[in-house]
Amino acid sequence: GAGVSQSPSNKVTEKGKDVELRCDPISGHTALYWYRQSLGQGLEFLIYFQGNSAPDKSGLPSDRFSAERTGGSVSTLTIQRTQQEDSAVYLCASSSIWGGELFFGEGSRLTVL
Amino acid sequence: QKEVEQDPGPLSVPEGAIVSLNCTYSNSAFQYFMWYRQYSRKGPELLMYTYSSGNKEDGRFTAQVDKSSKYISLFIRDSQPSDSATYLCAMRTNSGGSNYKLTFGKGTLLTVNP
Repeated sequence: GAGVSQSPSNKVTEKGKDVELRCDPISGHTALYWYRQSLGQGLEFLIYFQGNSAPDKSGLPSDRFSAERTGGSVSTLTIQRTQQEDSAVYLCASSSIWGGELFFGEGSRLTVL
Repeated sequence: QKEVEQDPGPLSVPEGAIVSLNCTYSNSAFQYFMWYRQYSRKGPELLMYTYSSGNKEDGRFTAQVDKSSKYISLFIRDSQPSDSATYLCAMRTNSGGSNYKLTFGKGTLLTVNP
């Protein structure tokens, strides 16, 4: 596609449920990033992929969060046993080269009731 | 102290005004500096990208970096209602294994009134 595509755009879930958020990066972009944007906060780095490998998972808030990337393309961020503090906008970005300009998707807005 | 500090505003100005947005940072390892614009319910988009101290101009936008003071600014001339958005500063290092990671300010919400 022309840009980074994320789905779902909005997700409302109940506390304790698992959610999956999907990111489809710009074709050919090898680097993929997940950030979280909470109300009143800046973007918080979660994880970075180079190809299918995640050399840096240091930003994942807890072991309830995991992410994978397959075929060097689509990535899925999974949050298990969601908590209310997980409510945020989850943004995905991709870049053509390591350290290059990041192109962001529109985000997945997660609300945990 | 957070690594990057940015006044969240909100900032409201009349159309045509000059807008000044600022960030300070504490990590002297930051070498690359960016400004992103984020419209409501959209993803951030890159506006300006600078490396060296000094000014960089692009149309109505000027990015300024003062590494000695650890201070960066974005100036918008002849502001337009279409400039109404949240402006985020971001920065990263140039060395080590984490120079892909951007550290963002909280963003400043700007409204330009017609």
